[in-house]
Amino acid sequence: SAVISQKPSRDICQRGTSLTIQCQVDSQVTMMFWYRQQPGQSLTLIATANQGSEATYESGFVIDKFPISRPNLTFSTLTVSNMSPEDSSIYLCSVAGTSGRAGIWDTQYFGPGTRLTVL
Amino acid sequence: KQEVTQIPAALSVPEGENLVLNCSFTDSAIYNLQWFRQDPGKGLTSLLLIQSSQREQTSGRLNASLDKSSGRSTLYIAASQPGDSATYLCAVDSGGYNKLIFGAGTRLAVHP
Repeated sequence: SAVISQKPSRDICQRGTSLTIQCQVDSQVTMMFWYRQQPGQSLTLIATANQGSEATYESGFVIDKFPISRPNLTFSTLTVSNMSPEDSSIYLCSVAGTSGRAGIWDTQYFGPGTRLTVL
Repeated sequence: KQEVTQIPAALSVPEGENLVLNCSFTDSAIYNLQWFRQDPGKGLTSLLLIQSSQREQTSGRLNASLDKSSGRSTLYIAASQPGDSATYLCAVDSGGYNKLIFGAGTRLAVHP
């Protein structure tokens, strides 16, 4: 298993500003993911963050809006840039591959989320 | 494009009832299916992971089944308790590499 922490837990931001969300895992993991959960909706995958390479973004998400860093096997950041009220969501970090190898049978573990409100 | 649907959207039951949550997916070519529980402010907790080659998994009072051919999974909760109150999410991995596609969830309330 994995214990995941996120900072900040919540924030209220002004339109046009940027916020960087941190995700810290208590063990080395192969794969890290960032999801968004808009109000009243389910989770949508933003991107996959692998150490040593650029993040891979899903359709509808771009690097300029959601730049991601993955400097090592236990840490990642997601930045929400030039925010608008439509970015108000819960942003969740998740990990897989806690055994040290990426496998299609891996359980995913999620962080507690960052609740972002943009005014 | 894979789509995941969960029925019902909300459920309220008295304590002690056995209940079934339903999940359906449009593309049967999946690698695995996971059931999660979401509590406010606490992220998601993985409940059960069913690989594509399996038909069911059990953990305590929870039993999840998978019928790939019909694109369906059910989560059975036995002898429900107020502590089971949460949103239950179904997610499928269609392309491998752990990229999950989620349903909208079933919001469960178990009252004493």
